[in-house]
Amino acid sequence: DGGITQSPKYLFRKEGQNVTLSCEQNLNHDAMYWYRQDPGQGLRLIYYSQIVNDFQKGDIAEGYSVSREKKESFPLTVTSAQKNPTAFYLCASSISSRIGYEQYFGPGTRLTVT
Amino acid sequence: DQQVKQNSPSLSVQEGRISILNCDYTNSMFDYFLWYKKYPAEGPTFLISISSIKDKNEDGRFTVFLNKSAKHLSLHIVPSQPGDSAVYFCAARTPNSGGSNYKLTFGKGTLLTVNP
Repeated sequence: DGGITQSPKYLFRKEGQNVTLSCEQNLNHDAMYWYRQDPGQGLRLIYYSQIVNDFQKGDIAEGYSVSREKKESFPLTVTSAQKNPTAFYLCASSISSRIGYEQYFGPGTRLTVT
Repeated sequence: DQQVKQNSPSLSVQEGRISILNCDYTNSMFDYFLWYKKYPAEGPTFLISISSIKDKNEDGRFTVFLNKSAKHLSLHIVPSQPGDSAVYFCAARTPNSGGSNYKLTFGKGTLLTVNP
């Protein structure tokens, strides 16, 4: 089945540690995105990538880093510099960020940092 | 500055009745609008969309209306079913600087509860 997978579903880390969230898609989509959702808030864009080896900052990129070495994969690293890392993280993809508008979302990873 | 606003955090309706979810926006550059449905602890799923050049789009029980002059759109669900109970996000598409690609801006969502 085609889709987007995120792992793990729940992740716990100690403050001060970097943590990497996985996102894989087999939809052959060029564009991939990372969002963060906090309680009572909409989805806020962290980073996005239009194509392999290219990515741009979204609205709240500080404290995060990404890589796009393969078309299928877009991992997100939450660094110790992120002041409020506890959140629900969503990965999405679309055919192309140039012409595609419909984004398909993964199931999300809930990160808790204590 | 919140460019996409869903002013009702929650809405409760009876099964079989109409559900109307509202969304307002401020950015006149938005050219496409989408509605997503989200269950707890899951990713959002695309529901329906509308281009800014249209005023209505219908798909089964779901209809989206766009009033461009008022910068307002609404999602109508008729008839509402208990399985429709979820958070509904309104999203709007805008080109980034340079116009080479697009990004979505999301509202905060409205929790719809359909009571049997």
